[in-house]
Amino acid sequence: DTEVTQTPKHLVMGMTNKKSLKCEQHMGHRAMYWYKQKAKKPPELMFVYSYEKLSINESVPSRFSPECPNSSLLNLHLHALQPEDSALYLCASSQVLAGGYDEQYFGPGTRLTVT
Amino acid sequence: GENVEQHPSTLSVQEGDSAVIKCTYSDSASNYFPWYKQELGKRPQLIIDIRSNVGEKKDQRIAVTLNKTAKHFSLHITETQPEDSAVYFCAASMRTNFGNEKLTFGTGTRLTIIP
Repeated sequence: DTEVTQTPKHLVMGMTNKKSLKCEQHMGHRAMYWYKQKAKKPPELMFVYSYEKLSINESVPSRFSPECPNSSLLNLHLHALQPEDSALYLCASSQVLAGGYDEQYFGPGTRLTVT
Repeated sequence: GENVEQHPSTLSVQEGDSAVIKCTYSDSASNYFPWYKQELGKRPQLIIDIRSNVGEKKDQRIAVTLNKTAKHFSLHITETQPEDSAVYFCAASMRTNFGNEKLTFGTGTRLTIIP
């Protein structure tokens, strides 16, 4: 299995809702990533987990809360979002090779719309 | 932090001609330079990458060159085909203290192949 999967594909939520995005990989990768991508822009790194521990938080607002229950799963909990948070949320994973140069494999993304 | 600039932002070429996309990076600690292709509504997919200890790499119609001294790298696509139409992102990656890779993307180039 060489794929990263994400659910749901699409999500519409109100500003008072609580929802979660899910990401899963079975490639034995030990690093997992959340990116946010606005239309016609590059992906922007949000969080990185390495060996199930949060290693990078790119100053993301607390209304986004990541969770890594185990080495195969990565969640992103959403609460009290703003319309400007509407975007494509991409998950990625990579091995953690001793020599570096780790390719990141991206999931198909969740298209989030905040109303 | 790392800053990656990418040019041009849009590029139209006649089918069969070559396309060149150029990127520069700022942090000499970056040591891995992947290129991603993203079709509309799809995930970014790695098409080629180059490590900092290599000056050039080729894979069929796609080649990448790296000049570490000048901190720039380029993507070359020869004999372009309509299916090459997409947005292309360059990226610079460095290994963090946590053992994972931190990717910084360029702003993207929308490549259109004219039949």
